[in-house]
Amino acid sequence: NAGVTQTPKFQVLKTGQSMTLQCAQDMNHEYMSWYRQDPGMGLRLIHYSVGAGITDQGEVPNGYNVSRSTTEDFPLRLLSAAPSQTSVYFCASSTLGSTDTQYFGPGTRLTVL
Amino acid sequence: DQQVKQNSPSLSVQEGRISILNCDYTNSMFDYFLWYKKYPAEGPTFLISISSIKDKNEDGRFTVFLNKSAKHLSLHIVPSQPGDSAVYFCAASTPWGGGYQKVTFGTGTKLQVIP
Repeated sequence: NAGVTQTPKFQVLKTGQSMTLQCAQDMNHEYMSWYRQDPGMGLRLIHYSVGAGITDQGEVPNGYNVSRSTTEDFPLRLLSAAPSQTSVYFCASSTLGSTDTQYFGPGTRLTVL
Repeated sequence: DQQVKQNSPSLSVQEGRISILNCDYTNSMFDYFLWYKKYPAEGPTFLISISSIKDKNEDGRFTVFLNKSAKHLSLHIVPSQPGDSAVYFCAASTPWGGGYQKVTFGTGTKLQVIP
C-alpha cells in the first residue's frame, strides 16, 4: 500500500495564479481532509469529505475549493493564490469511525510570491 | 481561539532521560486525546491516545497522562532516544455531526534528544 500520496512536493506560485494540489489514498477510507501547517498555528482544517460527492468546510476554507468524485482522490484547488496561502499542506484520510486517528501524506510546501 | 495549547515550542533532553511534553486544553467537550509525531519532510503519524474516561495509557516507552480537572495532558517518553527527535502534536477530539470526531491540533513541540 502506498498510503496517502501528495503531489507536488514543492510549488512556487505568483500571486493570482491558480493550481491544484493532488491527494490520493489506497486504503478505501471514506474520510479525507486537507490541513495547512503554519508556524505557531498547528494544523488547521481547510476542507474535509466523508465520501464521494460529499464535502464540507473546515476552519479556514476561504480561497480553496475541493471536490471528491472518487473514494481515492481529494484534490485541493487554490483559486487565486495569495501570499497568505504560503504554507505546508497535508492531506489525510481515515475510516469514518476513526477520524481522529488519521493517516497523513508527506505534504506539499507551497510558496506564493 | 486556541483550544489546544502546547506552550513549549521546543524541548531538549539527554539520551536515556525522560522527555515530558505538555498540553493544555480549554474545551470540556473533548472526549479523546491523541499525540502525533512528525519528522521533517514527512506527514504526522499517530503515536498514542487516551480516552477521557482514563487517566493513563501506556505503550512501550510512551505514556500519556490525562488530568481532566486541570484540563492537562502530558506525554512521557522513557528512556528518550535520538530517534525520538521530532515535532510532537497534541490533539483532542469531540463528537461532530454525522457520527464522526472533529480533531483539533495543538501548535507542536519540537523535541531534540541529545546523544
